[in-house]
Amino acid sequence: DSGVTQTPKHLITATGQRVTLRCSPRSGDLSVYWYQQSLDQGLQFLIHYYNGEERAKGNILERFSAQQFPDLHSELNLSSLELGDSALYFCASSGQGLAGGNEQFFGPGTRLTVL
Amino acid sequence: GQNIDQPTEMTATEGAIVQINCTYQTSGFNGLFWYQQHAGEAPTFLSYNVLDGLEEKGRFSSFLSRSKGYSYLLLKELQMKDSASYLCACSGAGSYQLTFGKGTKLSVIP
Repeated sequence: DSGVTQTPKHLITATGQRVTLRCSPRSGDLSVYWYQQSLDQGLQFLIHYYNGEERAKGNILERFSAQQFPDLHSELNLSSLELGDSALYFCASSGQGLAGGNEQFFGPGTRLTVL
Repeated sequence: GQNIDQPTEMTATEGAIVQINCTYQTSGFNGLFWYQQHAGEAPTFLSYNVLDGLEEKGRFSSFLSRSKGYSYLLLKELQMKDSASYLCACSGAGSYQLTFGKGTKLSVIP
């Protein structure tokens, strides 16, 4: 158990819908990262938040957005869903420093299926 | 950008040693991580190299050559539970997100 929690574990929805994925980082971790993992693309970085502020964006679609709240939990919002958005979505957290090299601890993931 | 290459699949025998290679090309590089991921589960941290050389941690060791853009993960005394995907990932200079390779699926056979 990494100490990172994600809900829900599974989500099945239809094209065009909107969903929200939730992540709680390890106690004391200020950084939260979101990743998407599909079979053909591997693990792709989406976005990084540090203490409530967006720090970096990766391959995140405009239909997707995220935020980190004062209690440090984070939400990833996916809208106008398409079949290709079906994937595992992981949240990870890392320690208080911003020094490169802090290992990231991954949550169990949310498996999103778009029908 | 960053480009990370690792073999797609490998097979090894229980009790043996296996080496999983990773090459990377990056516009900026800080360090290299290895993660283990069992099917459908979260990646778990194995090792981190920032300096050249070998880091040993029990049955697992990781090596880095910054000048060659090359790393490997060495697994000794293989066990059936080591069957998993092994992900190589780079952190860039001044950034904290990880760029992952597509992973090497290791199958350990009796």
